[in-house]
Amino acid sequence: EAEVAQSPRYKITEKSQAVAFWCDPISGHATLYWYRQILGQGPELLVQFQDESVVDDSQLPKDRFSAERLKGVDSTLKIQPAELGDSAMYLCASSPWTSGRVAGELFFGEGSRLTVL
Amino acid sequence: QKEVEQDPGPLSVPEGAIVSLNCTYSNSAFQYFMWYRQYSRKGPELLMYTYSSGNKEDGRFTAQVDKSSKYISLFIRDSQPSDSATYLCAMKRTGGFKTIFGAGTRLFVKA
Repeated sequence: EAEVAQSPRYKITEKSQAVAFWCDPISGHATLYWYRQILGQGPELLVQFQDESVVDDSQLPKDRFSAERLKGVDSTLKIQPAELGDSAMYLCASSPWTSGRVAGELFFGEGSRLTVL
Repeated sequence: QKEVEQDPGPLSVPEGAIVSLNCTYSNSAFQYFMWYRQYSRKGPELLMYTYSSGNKEDGRFTAQVDKSSKYISLFIRDSQPSDSATYLCAMKRTGGFKTIFGAGTRLFVKA
């Protein structure tokens, strides 16, 4: 069964350092999302791509976060510099333009857990 | 006030119990109502969805939506230890709008 791949699974870094997360969505899925999930909370959308274009980055802290999906396939989320409050699970999800189950069903990867010391 | 409110629990029940999980919301434009299940250290996976109001049943799981009260529920019958997870309610408007998640309820089913 096709899955969303994410790496690294775990990342420990010191504040002020740069970190990067990578996501490879399910083949053929046009829409890609990066969510942040703080412990004990639900996922919150950081950025949404439709193919290679950003369609929603209203909640992305643009002074330190950046995201790209250059060829409309895999994507990278970068944080520079990392702050203590960035400790969270960073989830990548993808969805097809239309879904057989529900419009916009999200298929999540296993996430990248970031700890900032 | 958050658009979607969900009691984070934790909720602990004995095996075989009926579990009721609930969310309230404030945005009357929501049309898709979903429940995602998230096991520890894993990403969420879609469990149930409902479009607009009504009930939907899938095996031991029943999802209910009451749009007049802005209230959705997930019922789990004959709960099993393998149902122990965090259950996230989620909602979205029609079109390309983003999915909004509740905080999630942690469920523990004791054998």
